[in-house]
Amino acid sequence: GAVVSQHPSWVICKSGTSVKIECRSLDFQATTMFWYRQFPKQSLMLMATSNEGSKATYEQGVEKDKFLINHASLTLSTLTVTSAHPEDSSFYICSARVGQAPTEAFFGQGTRLTVV
Amino acid sequence: AQSVTQLGSHVSVSEGALVLLRCNYSSSVPPYLFWYVQYPNQGLQLLLKYTSAATLVKGINGFEAEFKKSETSFHLTKPSAHMSDAAEYFCAVSSDTGRRALTFGSGTRLQVQP
Repeated sequence: GAVVSQHPSWVICKSGTSVKIECRSLDFQATTMFWYRQFPKQSLMLMATSNEGSKATYEQGVEKDKFLINHASLTLSTLTVTSAHPEDSSFYICSARVGQAPTEAFFGQGTRLTVV
Repeated sequence: AQSVTQLGSHVSVSEGALVLLRCNYSSSVPPYLFWYVQYPNQGLQLLLKYTSAATLVKGINGFEAEFKKSETSFHLTKPSAHMSDAAEYFCAVSSDTGRRALTFGSGTRLQVQP
């Protein structure tokens, strides 16, 4: 199947700094990418949907100014957590979809963010 | 709107025993249904998916699931559990309309006892 690479796999940052997480589709073009957040022992919650070349669509309750999403090309989407705080510590997972079909979504390996 | 309910946050079976993980969905349009497995600190791996073709879907690692519209269920089964099956399992639903993002259930942690 298609490969989605997410980087870094883990990051520790100081409170108040910003962290960028990259999500790349390695062998296909992803017209849409999704960003999820997962708290310990919980399910994945959709944060935003990102389409190449346009602004991301954020889910209710997700601060767009805090979680900046850029989808500049068909193979790369980035999530920047700005002015990170300890409550932003979580596991972030991206997913990339081929075309419009909802049947093919491939997931990155996730990024463990710890804010100290 | 769509949603997924996974009954049982923890399931424990003996090695070699039947695995049954329950998933019920709610969707106002014909659904696409998925089962994913997640190992600690890793992303999600697709086990199988239902896309309105055959109602009995076979996936990887010996898993299968049956779509039952009358029961709005998509339970995951495996005839004989292996130690390597211990992981977190997520059922998810999507549709061909709207945002098309996956909506996940709360997950079921499968433990396999020797």
